[in-house]
Amino acid sequence: GESVGLHLPTLSVQEGDNSIINCAYSNSASDYFIWYKQESGKGPQFIIDIRSNMDKRQGQRVTVLLNKTVKHLSLQIAATQPGDSAVYFCAETLYSSASKIIFGSGTRLSIRP
Amino acid sequence: GAGVSQSPSNKVTEKGKDVELRCDPISGHTALYWYRQSLGQGLEFLIYFQGNSAPDKSGLPSDRFSAERTGGSVSTLTIQRTQQEDSAVYLCASSLFGLAGDTDTQYFGPGTRLTVL
Repeated sequence: GESVGLHLPTLSVQEGDNSIINCAYSNSASDYFIWYKQESGKGPQFIIDIRSNMDKRQGQRVTVLLNKTVKHLSLQIAATQPGDSAVYFCAETLYSSASKIIFGSGTRLSIRP
Repeated sequence: GAGVSQSPSNKVTEKGKDVELRCDPISGHTALYWYRQSLGQGLEFLIYFQGNSAPDKSGLPSDRFSAERTGGSVSTLTIQRTQQEDSAVYLCASSLFGLAGDTDTQYFGPGTRLTVL
């Protein structure tokens, strides 16, 4: 069935360094991908998204890269800060249809001072 | 304005009892989603409401699970005869149109943590 998975369940990064969180997706029909951040005790929060007609999209301190050839997605966080500590989920869906979003299992990002 | 709210924030129940979880979406949002998140896991889609359309129930794990959305606003997720494996955080989200896309972000509530003893 459809699935979205992550290569690294946990990631420890030195404060100030860049973080890279990876994700693999299996549904080649998916054309819209989203990264969510979930802090402890809170619901997921939208970070950044990308459509399949792009391979890179930048936001504030975050960049999402999409490689459709190998069905791989990554989230890059520049100059990681303590407030970036959270679980990060990638998700896939279809852009133009009202359909369910398939979430990955998440990567926990911890920041070393 | 107010975001998505859910109640209760925590619910402890005994195996075999029924529970009702409530979601108040953002006012004006036509789409409402329920997800389940088990410890250390990702979000599992349960059910999706969009306007007056028939809900997408394809994610409900068994017939013990049901959900309603009254008046296109508040939604209630009901779990009958709860089992220990139902223990999880149940998250609700709403969006304006129910279409994926950067103009129709899903906003999540804080979740209800359900513990079945």
